[in-house]
Amino acid sequence: ETGVTQSPTHLIKTRGQQVTLRCSSQSGHNTVSWYQQALGQGPQFIFQYYREEENGRGNFPPRFSGLQFPNYSSELNVNALELDDSALYLCASSSDRVGGYTFGSGTRLTVV
Amino acid sequence: QQQVKQSPQSLIVQKGGISIINCAYENTAFDYFPWYQQFPGKGPALLIAIRPDVSEKKEGRFTISFNKSAKQFSLHIMDSQPGDSATYFCAASDNYGQNFVFGPGTRLSVLP
Repeated sequence: ETGVTQSPTHLIKTRGQQVTLRCSSQSGHNTVSWYQQALGQGPQFIFQYYREEENGRGNFPPRFSGLQFPNYSSELNVNALELDDSALYLCASSSDRVGGYTFGSGTRLTVV
Repeated sequence: QQQVKQSPQSLIVQKGGISIINCAYENTAFDYFPWYQQFPGKGPALLIAIRPDVSEKKEGRFTISFNKSAKQFSLHIMDSQPGDSATYFCAASDNYGQNFVFGPGTRLSVLP
């Protein structure tokens, strides 16, 4: 049984650019949630996808968008990057939206 | 209403001692309370979780105590070991884990 894998592990982007982060969910999991974790803080919920549909969204602007594919992998897209977008982006998967999420190791995004 | 408060911010414990981390919430709709452990460079890993219909849950050296009337819950780590040194996050969600609200984290250091 594979865990949650995220790519890339690190990324440096310039303010105003766009970025795409990728997540492969754990085998058998059909739900993917994305979280933003600023340095020294707890993760903050961005949005969740269940069976390819957005199933809930946190307090993040529309320039944060996502996709889930038929194989339940997922992408997080961020447009018009701002310096405050610098953070660790975590993907978590589960089965049928219930508890016991498995987190990936995250993508460290730095915006300069 | 959506906030989860966590204390202390940091904790230093001698090997073999008891580590205690406390959390409080306001939203009475929360019905699932997990604790996550995070090592540097890694995503959070689920340690133990509790539903509000029980007051205590124990798994190995880790125990959650839950006080529904006070809207508080705590993590006790018995016989703390240097390998337990990590950041611990409490979290809460309604709808059984759909969107987690995380506390700000507690950095635990266990001295050998």
